[in-house]
Amino acid sequence: DAGVIQSPRHEVTEMGQEVTLRCKPISGHDYLFWYRQTMMRGLELLIYFNNNVPIDDSGMPEDRFSAKMPNASFSTLKIQPSEPRDSAVYFCASSLGGAGVQPQHFGDGTRLSIL
Amino acid sequence: GQSLEQPSEVTAVEGAIVQINCTYQTSGFYGLSWYQQHDGGAPTFLSYNALDGLEETGRFSSFLSRSDSYGYLLLQELQMKDSASYFCAVRASSGTYKYIFGTGTRLKVLA
Repeated sequence: DAGVIQSPRHEVTEMGQEVTLRCKPISGHDYLFWYRQTMMRGLELLIYFNNNVPIDDSGMPEDRFSAKMPNASFSTLKIQPSEPRDSAVYFCASSLGGAGVQPQHFGDGTRLSIL
Repeated sequence: GQSLEQPSEVTAVEGAIVQINCTYQTSGFYGLSWYQQHDGGAPTFLSYNALDGLEETGRFSSFLSRSDSYGYLLLQELQMKDSASYFCAVRASSGTYKYIFGTGTRLKVLA
């Protein structure tokens, strides 16, 4: 079975440019999460969706960040304009819902460098 | 604020047993999970505890004490491939799927 698929795997761009990260969750999973990982701040939840609807975006750092999920099989995280401090690894994860603790399945991440 | 604390680094030799602790301070609690992440890789789910006690999954076990806001991951018969970072994560309530991750513990397994 295919796991969570993210693209691109690596992105290097100049400050001020728009960056779009893409994610395809595991089919049948109704929760999708976007995380950012840095050495200084660890793994931070940016936003999560349930059935394509954003539920909690309290982790989105500022208005330069936006996320969408137009359908059950696709989500994007956009940064516009990008800044060097946005450099990080961005992970997308998906999970089933339900009671208890549901394992989150992470994609391989996008390594973003803003010059 | 909400936080999960873990030791930053642990070192052990092949074949040994190692315990990675996690202490949490969160507004609520609905379960403690553990994830493994190799360098350059993605976090992968290992185990979770919703109730007090020990859960065993092969060489890995996880323990939870809700009264102490404390849990640990126990790795037995250490192998070189266990060298990785390990994160605990708390789901704060049944009303949210937001998980708060710990700072991570880097485990080095020596030959």
